[in-house]
Amino acid sequence: GAVVSQHPSRVICKSGTSVKIECRSLDFQATTMFWYRQFPKKSLMLMATSNEGSKATYEQGVEKDKFLINHASLTLSTLTVTSAHPEDSSFYICSALPRQGNLRDTQYFGPGTRLTVL
Amino acid sequence: AQKITQTQPGMFVQEKEAVTLDCTYDTSDPSYGLFWYKQPSSGEMIFLIYQGSYDQQNATEGRYSLNFQKARKSANLVISASQLGDSAMYFCAIQSDFNKFYFGSGTKLNVKP
Repeated sequence: GAVVSQHPSRVICKSGTSVKIECRSLDFQATTMFWYRQFPKKSLMLMATSNEGSKATYEQGVEKDKFLINHASLTLSTLTVTSAHPEDSSFYICSALPRQGNLRDTQYFGPGTRLTVL
Repeated sequence: AQKITQTQPGMFVQEKEAVTLDCTYDTSDPSYGLFWYKQPSSGEMIFLIYQGSYDQQNATEGRYSLNFQKARKSANLVISASQLGDSAMYFCAIQSDFNKFYFGSGTKLNVKP
């Protein structure tokens, strides 16, 4: 089956630093990847859509200068949380849309990255 | 705009019994997909079942079945013969024309031995 990895799985950083999270599709090419944020015991909230070779599109209310997204290749998208603050602490999950595929199983989710900002 | 509503924040079920998790949705898209995912405490999102808006029959995947009532805009998940390993968060999601997923607030299922 299609596999999506995220790195790191867990990161703790000091307030004011930037953190980069990688999302990779391991055995398929993904023209589109999605980034979600999940607070404890809450639902996944779509943050942005990452398209290979073009700018990401952000959902309403998501600061694009705060959450930088780069989709440099068909297998890699990165999310950089700039100048992180404690309120950015959350579980970040990515998903990847295969370049070719039918509607079912359209998105494959990564295992998530838990960010804690001290 | 898409909206998914899960009205059961928590559910209990006895092992080996069946349980239904509710999901209603609202969308203006003429075609859409409905998904159910399981999220154990590890955080990974596990795909369970998919229903296309034009599918005539209700989807089934092993012990999972989807009770799809298009006119009522509901897509309830039925888990038969519950197992202890079924204890987890369950999310209903709708897929828009742009392939975006919008998730409901989730239902925490606890299976009692």
